[in-house]
Amino acid sequence: QKEVEQNSGPLSVPEGAIASLNCTYSDRGSQSFFWYRQYSGKSPELIMSIYSNGDKEDGRFTAQLNKASQYVSLLIRDSQPSDSATYLCAVIGDSNYQLIWGAGTKLIIKP
Amino acid sequence: EPEVTQTPSHQVTQMGQEVILRCVPISNHLYFYWYRQILGQKVEFLVSFYNNEISEKSEIFDDQFSVERPDGSNFTLKIRSTKLEDSAMYFCASSDSRMDGYTFGSGTRLTVV
Repeated sequence: QKEVEQNSGPLSVPEGAIASLNCTYSDRGSQSFFWYRQYSGKSPELIMSIYSNGDKEDGRFTAQLNKASQYVSLLIRDSQPSDSATYLCAVIGDSNYQLIWGAGTKLIIKP
Repeated sequence: EPEVTQTPSHQVTQMGQEVILRCVPISNHLYFYWYRQILGQKVEFLVSFYNNEISEKSEIFDDQFSVERPDGSNFTLKIRSTKLEDSAMYFCASSDSRMDGYTFGSGTRLTVV
């Protein structure tokens, strides 16, 4: 069974600090990795995608991928209250190209 | 920015009735998906669709579910005889390749009473 694991949280971070979200996956052949943000009652919104080892930065967001450790993370710098949401890690494997979802980490940014 | 459009935003139906959820994917995307999310639970894959046929489906996608692309723009999910446990948010998504991230629509909240 291919799985994506995330700490459900909630993760509470003071405004202006760095929020660090982590995700591990079981399928070693996975090739595409995504972070989605989901506000309560809304649809998931793609915020970062990463395909190769290392860091990828986009504004205040940095995704980090370590395929050897089967680990992907998301850093949010200068956290804002509007970043409070559930962050979903999702992974596409190399067999059926199906997106496998983690259960999400609830992030709370405290003013 | 291109977006995926879903209608209706909220549907209330009686148990046993048929419902059709509608989606207009992003126009140049080739891959289409339906997901659902029961309140407070994980996003669950239902079905993927490519080249006018189902490419993958989950165990949830049983005989009561069907999908169609009736014309060049719409993508529909039909639930033939709804059950109480079908109450959920249903999300349509599309992508332009199998390895890229998906763009999700805003969802249809289905309530079966």
